[in-house]
Amino acid sequence: DAGVIQSPRHEVTEMGQEVTLRCKPISGHDYLFWYRQTMMRGLELLIYFNNNVPIDDSGMPEDRFSAKMPNASFSTLKIQPSEPRDSAVYFCASSLTGGPGNEQFFGPGTRLTVL
Amino acid sequence: QKEVEQNSGPLSVPEGAIASLNCTYSDRGSQSFFWYRQYSGKSPELIMSIYSNGDKEDGRFTAQLNKASQYVSLLIRDSQPSDSATYLCAVCRSSYKLIFGSGTRLLVRP
Repeated sequence: DAGVIQSPRHEVTEMGQEVTLRCKPISGHDYLFWYRQTMMRGLELLIYFNNNVPIDDSGMPEDRFSAKMPNASFSTLKIQPSEPRDSAVYFCASSLTGGPGNEQFFGPGTRLTVL
Repeated sequence: QKEVEQNSGPLSVPEGAIASLNCTYSDRGSQSFFWYRQYSGKSPELIMSIYSNGDKEDGRFTAQLNKASQYVSLLIRDSQPSDSATYLCAVCRSSYKLIFGSGTRLLVRP
């Protein structure tokens, strides 16, 4: 299995620009999670989907952030407009249903730098 | 109080020693507990999961859970320099949301 795939691996952009991060979960997994990791705040859950439906977006910091999952094999996290404080590593993770706390498998992450 | 607390370290142990990593959590309703290892610049990697009180062993790793004390630990036997990483404790309640601790940095000295 290829594991969770994320693109791009690195993104440098200027404040005010739109940023789109992409994720392909492990085939057959029905849960998809978006996390953000910073030195100050650690690893934070932003949003998660079950069977392509957003279940909990309470971690999304503000309206500038949006996420979609148009099908079982693809999800996007969009930031518009981006700000320097959005600089972080963004991880996508997926898991297979089976009860609370399903084991989650992380992608390699996208390192975002907003200048 | 943070939901999941870990000592940030670094915890420094000599090669071959037992490394003991600890984690406490605040929500008594938590049901599932995980240890992730994260090398610098890499993504978190699941190494252990535990769901019931007691010990769970997998190779050189042992996870211990005490729900009454709201305490989870990870023991690494025969520590190797390649074990040097940050270890993240994660706790799950009735939903599928994982709450992560800030991590403990482990250094294994050759």
